[in-house]
Amino acid sequence: ETGVTQTPRHLVMGMTNKKSLKCEQHLGHNAMYWYKQSAKKPLELMFVYNFKEQTENNSVPSRFSPECPNSSHLFLHLHTLQPEDSALYLCASSQGRPRDSYEQYFGPGTRLTVT
Amino acid sequence: QQQVKQSPQSLIVQKGGISIINCAYENTAFDYFPWYQQFPGKGPALLIAIRPDVSEKKEGRFTISFNKSAKQFSLHIMDSQPGDSATYFCAASDGNQFYFGTGTSLTVIP
Repeated sequence: ETGVTQTPRHLVMGMTNKKSLKCEQHLGHNAMYWYKQSAKKPLELMFVYNFKEQTENNSVPSRFSPECPNSSHLFLHLHTLQPEDSALYLCASSQGRPRDSYEQYFGPGTRLTVT
Repeated sequence: QQQVKQSPQSLIVQKGGISIINCAYENTAFDYFPWYQQFPGKGPALLIAIRPDVSEKKEGRFTISFNKSAKQFSLHIMDSQPGDSATYFCAASDGNQFYFGTGTSLTVIP
């Protein structure tokens, strides 16, 4: 158990659907992250939240909308996605920001398929 | 532009052998270099990490070798075991975010 849980683990959605991914960390960390993992590509950082405030948005399309209501929960709201958005979406948390080089703890990911 | 280049993409090693995975970078602002291990159905987990002020770090069967002048670092897995079969990612941090390699799929044959 990594202390970071993600639901659902698998999601199939049509291009016109709206769905949300949920992440919860039980480690008392302050920073939370969304990454996209595609085959044969580096992990792509999407969003960073530090103390509930968004500190990074790596030019992610607006069809991805993050929400961080508190330091333990992170959501990724999805709407009108494209087939190329199919990937494994990983949530991570850390005690501090990357500047502090704190270890990032990853969840198991949500395998998203857009049809 | 890919910030961290990792090779090989896949690696097959006999049990008891040495597995070596290499990474290279260009950004001299990077100051923290972790390696992650990922099993199927799981998220990546930190395996070992190094800072550029040392040339080598060893933890059990896992060793990072770091060459600051060449801007390269590598992971060595000694006495490789079938349980080491996983995907390994190198990464580098400039203090703002982590940049990951493309991953190496390691298979250790019994």
